[in-house]
Formats: sequence, structure tokens, C-alpha cells
Amino acid sequence: QSALTQPASVSGSPGQSITISCTGTSSDVGSYNLISWYQQYPGKAPKLMIYEVTKRPSGVSNRFSGSKSGNTASLTISGLQAEDEADYYCCSYTGTRTLLFGGGTKLTVL
Amino acid sequence: EVQLVQSGGGLVRPGGSLRLSCAASGFTFSSYSMNWVRQAPGKGLEWVSYITSGSTTIYYADSVKGRFTISRDNFKNSLYLQMNSLRDEDTAVYYCATSSAWGVFGYWGQGTLVTVSS
Repeated sequence: QSALTQPASVSGSPGQSITISCTGTSSDVGSYNLISWYQQYPGKAPKLMIYEVTKRPSGVSNRFSGSKSGNTASLTISGLQAEDEADYYCCSYTGTRTLLFGGGTKLTVL
Repeated sequence: EVQLVQSGGGLVRPGGSLRLSCAASGFTFSSYSMNWVRQAPGKGLEWVSYITSGSTTIYYADSVKGRFTISRDNFKNSLYLQMNSLRDEDTAVYYCATSSAWGVFGYWGQGTLVTVSS
């Protein structure tokens, strides 16, 4: 199975909002609300930011939000801050007892 | 404090074997399903394997099925990944991670680098 499709890079200025898309198929993203998002700094382990499409773990800023429409999930970061500069990965259950990650998106805060 | 401390990475020749370990502390290890996730150098994340809290259910990615074996010892609070018939494309940082549901990886280990090269 191919990775979920994410833009290679996105950028925004401090205070702005950005959205990262994650496109799959009707067999994965489109069929299940088991979509999660991870933030990863260089050389560090990923951190869970969003799970089950829209839920935020305790301690994650409410500037991070998730949504889904059809076969595409999205992560929106509002009020962009310098510390948000990192790589972001989406993840989806596939229905065949496996998980699929997106290729990752590098967020640059200008 | 929740900790997942990994060990066992290193350099191995193609066709060789390696065993990764992940020692858990600070939480009730026996209550959590566990996973291995890997990341090739400069690449994205790839889910590798999953095991339920009581080891009753195990799943693998197609890329490692038949070559890798996940296991755990709840008495030792440890997770393992036995990797056999290693290939160049298995070169990656391997992470262990807890999961409370499919794709919900709440706690991660620090990662351990496995390099497969002749």
C-alpha cells in the first residue's frame, strides 16, 4: 500500500493559520475515523497531536485541530508560532489490520 | 514518569538478525497494546507491528511479515522485535510506542538505529 498523500511542505507567518491535508482512499481515510496526527522535531520521537480525527490529547494546545471530508483529513494550526516548525505526519487505519502513515509535511514558520 | 527505553540497535549484514528491546516504566505496561514504528533516514514514518496487552493478537506490515517477530514479557515490562533476514531497506530508526487504539501512539521510545549494510 502506498503512503497517504501529504504536501511536502507548507509555510506560514507567525499568527497565521495553516492547514495540512492528508489524502487517502475510500478504503482507509474515507472509511474510518481512526485518523491521527503526529508532530516530529529533527532527531526526536514523534508526538501525538490529534487522534480519532478531531480529538486532542491532554496537554496539546487548542491551536491544533483536525477534520475530515471524504478521503481527505486535515490538520489546522491556528495562531502559528515559531515552535510549531516541525514535520507533521498523518496516520490512518486501513481496514486490513494495518496502519498507513502519510509521507510527512515540513512546516516552516516564516 | 512514563519511560520507554530502547536498546539493541546496530550494524548488521544483509541476511543477518537483530533483536530490539523496549523497557517500560512509569505505567502499567501489561495494560497497553504496543507497536513498533520505523523511519528510514530522511524518510517518513512506517508502522511495523502491533501486539495486544496479553499477546493474544499480533499484526505485521506486509514489508516485514514472515521476517520479524514481535513479542512481550509483561513480567519484565519489556517489548521485543526479533528481526531476521534483514535487508538494506530495513535500515531505519525503530521506535516502540504504546497504543490505546488503532494509530493512537501516546508514548514513544527514544528510537534505536538499525543499519543493514555489507
